[in-house]
Amino acid sequence: SQTIHQWPATLVQPVGSPLSLECTVEGTSNPNLYWYRQAAGRGLQLLFYSVGIGQISSEVPQNLSASRPQDRQFILSSKKLLLSDSGFYLCAWTGVGQAYLNEQFFGPGTRLTVL
Amino acid sequence: KNEVEQSPQNLTAQEGEFITINCSYSVGISALHWLQQHPGGGIVSLFMLSSGKKKHGRLIATINIQEKHSSLHITASHPRDSAVYICAADNYGQNFVFGPGTRLSVLP
Repeated sequence: SQTIHQWPATLVQPVGSPLSLECTVEGTSNPNLYWYRQAAGRGLQLLFYSVGIGQISSEVPQNLSASRPQDRQFILSSKKLLLSDSGFYLCAWTGVGQAYLNEQFFGPGTRLTVL
Repeated sequence: KNEVEQSPQNLTAQEGEFITINCSYSVGISALHWLQQHPGGGIVSLFMLSSGKKKHGRLIATINIQEKHSSLHITASHPRDSAVYICAADNYGQNFVFGPGTRLSVLP
């Protein structure tokens, strides 16, 4: 069966510090991978998606970047965090082939607080 | 006007009541997703619809492609159904647009 992991679960960082959130998927190959953010009191926002190793598409301009160094690893990074980066970050995946017909599976999320 | 809208924004029901949450969208989609977000933040995918109707236990989701409208129904609601329900428009897996969510509280 497929499993998606995210870490850390919670993170408190000062403004200006770097960030690295990791997401890994088990039990599937060549998934489409997604990073979402949910700011406090707001809806989900798609940040990045990836259809393969080294292939990243950004949905919104921001202080963040994403990388996919391995097939089942997706990393969200920032060089200098802003207060507005605080939120709940979710990683998700869909299967290969007819990806647009496939269900999304979400990781447990990382709650980031920037002080 | 938001591309995906939901109503109501908040909903309080008594245990056992029949619940309906509505979603309207203005974007082209390949599928419409219904998600459930628990108080701790975890998200579970409930349904993915491209046409018609789907049923899982006490949950039923319908979609009308012509009217660009979907509904999520919960029969015999229970306090454990309390969560935020989110609909999301899926443009072939590359562009997800999320509704603002409906916060449901089911009282015992």
